[in-house]
Amino acid sequence: GAGVSQSPSNKVTEKGKDVELRCDPISGHTALYWYRQSLGQGLEFLIYFQGNSAPDKSGLPSDRFSAERTGGSVSTLTIQRTQQEDSAVYLCASSLAGRGPGNTIYFGEGSWLTVV
Amino acid sequence: DAKTTQPNSMESNEEEPVHLPCNHSTISGTDYIHWYRQLPSQGPEYVIHGLTSNVNNRMASLAIAEDRKSSTLILHRATLRDAAVYYCILRGLGGGSNYKLTFGKGTLLTVNP
Repeated sequence: GAGVSQSPSNKVTEKGKDVELRCDPISGHTALYWYRQSLGQGLEFLIYFQGNSAPDKSGLPSDRFSAERTGGSVSTLTIQRTQQEDSAVYLCASSLAGRGPGNTIYFGEGSWLTVV
Repeated sequence: DAKTTQPNSMESNEEEPVHLPCNHSTISGTDYIHWYRQLPSQGPEYVIHGLTSNVNNRMASLAIAEDRKSSTLILHRATLRDAAVYYCILRGLGGGSNYKLTFGKGTLLTVNP
């Protein structure tokens, strides 16, 4: 597709359940980011993938959160035993290369997660 | 991470120019200045970026002060669709976390019809 694609666009889950959020980056983009945005708050970095390098997981808030990227393309963010404070928009982004500061990062529309 | 300071909110009228300021007094020589915006219920959208020289694209212009300690995003004719939160972000070289975008609170731009 032309842009970063995320699914599901909306997810309501019960507290304690596991959820998986999917991100399909722009074709050819080797760098992939996950961010989280709680209601009325700024964007919070979660994790970064670049090619075959070890991901930067420094932003993951707890060990209930994990992410993987298969084949250098699609990524899945998994939240285990969801809590109400996990309710947020989860945004995926991608860029052409890794750490170059001039590279543009393109964001998806986000997956809106509500934990009830 | 080098930090930026932006006004919390600004207001403009439709069809008029808008100048959104950003202060970044601790910017390093290799930091790029990026601007993103986030429309309601959407993911952030790239607007423009620059290093030293002023930059223009189809969306906006970026004016960078000679000492690079401040910059201004210029929307030449605001439309209702430009109502959004505008983020000024520094992104640099080097190790650590410089490669990722660190979002502050940004400036909420309201455009009046």
